[in-house]
Amino acid sequence: AQSVTQPDIHITVSEGASLELRCNYSYGATPYLFWYVQSPGQGLQLLLKYFSGDTLVQGIKGFEAEFKRSQSSFNLRKPSVHWSDAAEYFCAVGPGTYKYIFGTGTRLKVLA
Amino acid sequence: NAGVTQTPKFQVLKTGQSMTLQCAQDMNHNSMYWYRQDPGMGLRLIYYSASEGTTDKGEVPNGYNVSRLNKREFSLRLESAAPSQTSVYFCASTLGGKTEAFFGQGTRLTVV
Repeated sequence: AQSVTQPDIHITVSEGASLELRCNYSYGATPYLFWYVQSPGQGLQLLLKYFSGDTLVQGIKGFEAEFKRSQSSFNLRKPSVHWSDAAEYFCAVGPGTYKYIFGTGTRLKVLA
Repeated sequence: NAGVTQTPKFQVLKTGQSMTLQCAQDMNHNSMYWYRQDPGMGLRLIYYSASEGTTDKGEVPNGYNVSRLNKREFSLRLESAAPSQTSVYFCASTLGGKTEAFFGQGTRLTVV
């Protein structure tokens, strides 16, 4: 069955520190992978996506993610976190028969 | 560009009341989706419409109905609201194929 696992429910980092959010997926075919960010009271905004090719993809706001097929992972990274990055982050895989599967999210807190 | 527009943004219903959540997109997208978001559960697919004229059940369809009114509009109806349907509802749309989903701002529904 298709699934996405985000093992960290909450993560707290200091401003300026590096960040890595984990995402593991289970998918029968070559996955299309996405990271979205949700600020409080807002909808989801696409950070980056992977369809094929270079396994390191760059996104908006200085984020990047690396696709590792052998580990079924698509972890999100940022070298230096800003206070405005505090939000909830969702990993997603799809579309399989038009369905996108989302992880349960990781809530990021940034300490000043 | 408005993108994906949802109405209303907030709603309080009494148990047993009915209502329709409206969603419209102006991106000429083919596929549209309704998700609900609950704490710790990520986004769960309620119904989707792969193309105009078709609708299919997602992961949690019970208690809901949908209508793909035309290519732009996809509504979600609660016939007899229950407290378990208290949630934040998101509409999304995609062009189809290798593309990402675009989300509305959400409808926060409380059933008392």
